[in-house]
Amino acid sequence: KAGVTQTPRYLIKTRGQQVTLSCSPISGHRSVSWYQQTPGQGLQFLFEYFSETQRNKGNFPGRFSGRQFSNSRSEMNVSTLELGDSALYLCASSLSLAGHTGELFFGEGSRLTVL
Amino acid sequence: QQQVKQSPQSLIVQKGGISIINCAYENTAFDYFPWYQQFPGKGPALLIAIRPDVSEKKEGRFTISFNKSAKQFSLHIMDSQPGDSATYFCAASPANNLFFGTGTRLTVIP
Repeated sequence: KAGVTQTPRYLIKTRGQQVTLSCSPISGHRSVSWYQQTPGQGLQFLFEYFSETQRNKGNFPGRFSGRQFSNSRSEMNVSTLELGDSALYLCASSLSLAGHTGELFFGEGSRLTVL
Repeated sequence: QQQVKQSPQSLIVQKGGISIINCAYENTAFDYFPWYQQFPGKGPALLIAIRPDVSEKKEGRFTISFNKSAKQFSLHIMDSQPGDSATYFCAASPANNLFFGTGTRLTVIP
């Protein structure tokens, strides 16, 4: 069974640009969550989608947005990039809403560097 | 505001020793406490989890101890091995979300 696939794995952007990251969940998983990982802050929750609807949102500015498609694939977008957005962005999928079981299956992440 | 506080930030243990990572929470609605293990270049993976109706859960060399009254839980790695060197995250769930600690970087010295 294929795992969670995230693309691209690495990318470099400059301040003010926007970026779109993609996530393909494990087949059959309907929930996709996004996390930002930085050395000092650990894993910060961005949002969770289930059946194409955003079910939960973390404490991030509106520059961070996402969506989920009918095949459960998800994208997240960050507009007007800032230096502080440099991080590893992790996508995780689960059968049901993440909080119900706590068992998330993570991808290897997309490492974003903002110059 | 960090929902789950984790310590220490980093830990160095000799091979064969015991590694102990602690976490604390405030929200009594939390009812599921997983631990995730992350190797460099990889995403976190579920290691072991516990619900508050038990005080301890053991899987091989990994044990979660849970103290409901103190709102604390900890991960113990017995007979630590160099292959255990990774970052460990505790987490807590109130059934509608999953909150992670800030992580502990464990290094096991041969």
